[in-house]
Amino acid sequence: DAGVTQSPTHLIKTRGQQVTLRCSPKSGHDTVSWYQQALGQGPQFIFQYYEEEERQRGNFPDRFSGHQFPNYSSELNVNALLLGDSALYLCASSPENTEAFFGQGTRLTVV
Amino acid sequence: AQKITQTQPGMFVQEKEAVTLDCTYDTSDPSYGLFWYKQPSSGEMIFLIYQGSYDQQNATEGRYSLNFQKARKSANLVISASQLGDSAMYFCAMRESNDYKLSFGAGTTVTVRA
Repeated sequence: DAGVTQSPTHLIKTRGQQVTLRCSPKSGHDTVSWYQQALGQGPQFIFQYYEEEERQRGNFPDRFSGHQFPNYSSELNVNALLLGDSALYLCASSPENTEAFFGQGTRLTVV
Repeated sequence: AQKITQTQPGMFVQEKEAVTLDCTYDTSDPSYGLFWYKQPSSGEMIFLIYQGSYDQQNATEGRYSLNFQKARKSANLVISASQLGDSAMYFCAMRESNDYKLSFGAGTTVTVRA
């Protein structure tokens, strides 16, 4: 049984560019959440998707947007990248609102 | 306001010994869940243990146990018989009943010495 998978694992982008990160949830999980983890800090909640709708959003600007597909997979899009967007982006899935299982993350570097 | 506080940035422990990682939390919600995750250098967050606010007994999962002191708003993780593979960052997190997100602490780095 595959766990949560994220792609790509590493990414380097230039300031002002746009990026799309992808997440496939664990089998049977219908809820996907995205977190941003800056170096040396705990993860910060970006948003959660359930039934293809954004159910809750954290304190992140509109440059951060997402999507959930009918197969429950999800994308995180970040527009107009800033140097401060450099971080590890973690996707988590869960069957409804139970314990979250995380992927290995996408390490984004903005130069 | 910070909901989860982990005051120990780093800890060293000898192999085969036990280590306690501190976590205090702040909430006015009577119903909440507390979680501990392990994050090795690879980056993946690994779920370790869960404690519900109404659970009567402290949670245990193998070598992990949670020392839950509700009145003190404390949820310390105890790792018994430490192994070299336990070296990682450990995060305490909370989810309140009216919330879908996990709120994480700043983490504690554990280094196990042979």
